[in-house]
Amino acid sequence: GQNIDQPTEMTATEGAIVQINCTYQTSGFNGLFWYQQHAGEAPTFLSYNVLDGLEEKGRFSSFLSRSKGYSYLLLKELQMKDSASYLCAVRGEESGGSYIPTFGRGTSLIVHP
Amino acid sequence: DVKVTQSSRYLVKRTGEKVFLECVQDMDHENMFWYRQDPGLGLRLIYFSYDVKMKEKGDIPEGYSVSREKKERFSLILESASTNQTSMYLCASSPQGPGNTIYFGEGSWLTVV
Repeated sequence: GQNIDQPTEMTATEGAIVQINCTYQTSGFNGLFWYQQHAGEAPTFLSYNVLDGLEEKGRFSSFLSRSKGYSYLLLKELQMKDSASYLCAVRGEESGGSYIPTFGRGTSLIVHP
Repeated sequence: DVKVTQSSRYLVKRTGEKVFLECVQDMDHENMFWYRQDPGLGLRLIYFSYDVKMKEKGDIPEGYSVSREKKERFSLILESASTNQTSMYLCASSPQGPGNTIYFGEGSWLTVV
């Protein structure tokens, strides 16, 4: 089975740094994705990790430890527009000719002045 | 840019009606997915398809069917809509292979009354 856990809600101050954690137990592992979703909009791709370590992309970084089944998304220099839901998704083993992504329930981040 | 287009943004249907949600992608992706998203439950996979005329059940297929007659188009069908199918429906597509990004459409908000 697939199980992905992330906190339901987090708050942070504009200009600060926030870390959103994701733990997973999945049958097979073929990569972990982070998506950002603003209210009423579609999720948009932020990052992809398949090897252990840190991937940096501007203000956003994502870390993966496969042995611990753990990832985090780090957001620096927070801006008001970063208020959104952040979804962790894991691609498990192949099924029916595809690598199906399983999504966590999302972490709602509220950035306040 | 990859474009995933969902035909209807907002729909209101009556209980018992047959509902069609259409999705088209313009990047020749092999994989297409239908998810529903509900508060507190996150994204749940209804059906997916990895090729024309191929379909596989996801986690919550009951009450739904799908059709993929052409590679670019993946339709979700509610044979007899019920109020518990009121939700936001998200279509997504991706190329074959585990590391490829999943691209989402804008979403279709369905209300069944």
